[in-house]
Amino acid sequence: ETGVTQSPTHLIKTRGQQVTLRCSSQSGHNTVSWYQQALGQGPQFIFQYYREEENGRGNFPPRFSGLQFPNYSSELNVNALELDDSALYLCASSLVSGGEQFFGPGTRLTVL
Amino acid sequence: EDKVVQSPLSLVVHEGDTVTLNCSYEVTNFRSLLWYKQEKKAPTFLFMLTSSGIEKKSGRLSSILDKKELFSILNITATQTGDSAVYLCAVEAGDYQLIWGAGTKLIIKP
Repeated sequence: ETGVTQSPTHLIKTRGQQVTLRCSSQSGHNTVSWYQQALGQGPQFIFQYYREEENGRGNFPPRFSGLQFPNYSSELNVNALELDDSALYLCASSLVSGGEQFFGPGTRLTVL
Repeated sequence: EDKVVQSPLSLVVHEGDTVTLNCSYEVTNFRSLLWYKQEKKAPTFLFMLTSSGIEKKSGRLSSILDKKELFSILNITATQTGDSAVYLCAVEAGDYQLIWGAGTKLIIKP
């Protein structure tokens, strides 16, 4: 059974640029959630996708958008990057919406 | 506004000590409370609690939930240096969102 994977591991961007982060769910999981974790803070919920549809969204602006594909892998896109977007971005998959979430290793994004 | 508050924010103890970590919450439509351990990157699941007063145990770790007083505790007995980590508490709300506390950074000194 393959766990949750994320790519890339690290990324450095400059203000105003756009970024795409990727996540492959654990085998058989149809729900993916994305979180932003700033240094020294707990994760903040960005949004969740269930069977390719957005199934809930946290308090993040529209420049944070996502996709889930038929194989249940997912992307997080962030446009017009700001310095405060620097964080660890975590993806978690679950068998069903509301089930136990399994986390990937995260992508460390630095915005200069 | 929904919130989850953990205390203490950080804790330094010696190997062999017992620690108690606290998590209080105010969340609309509570579904469950979860504890995670985060060492470097990915949080790893420890416990899910849904019912009051029922202790969950896994080795030296245990946790209990009080839904009347809206809090949970995580106990670690006979601590080891490998227990050093950030312990995160999250509450699952009615719309399946996880609302997270800021974590307790636990350092175990040899």
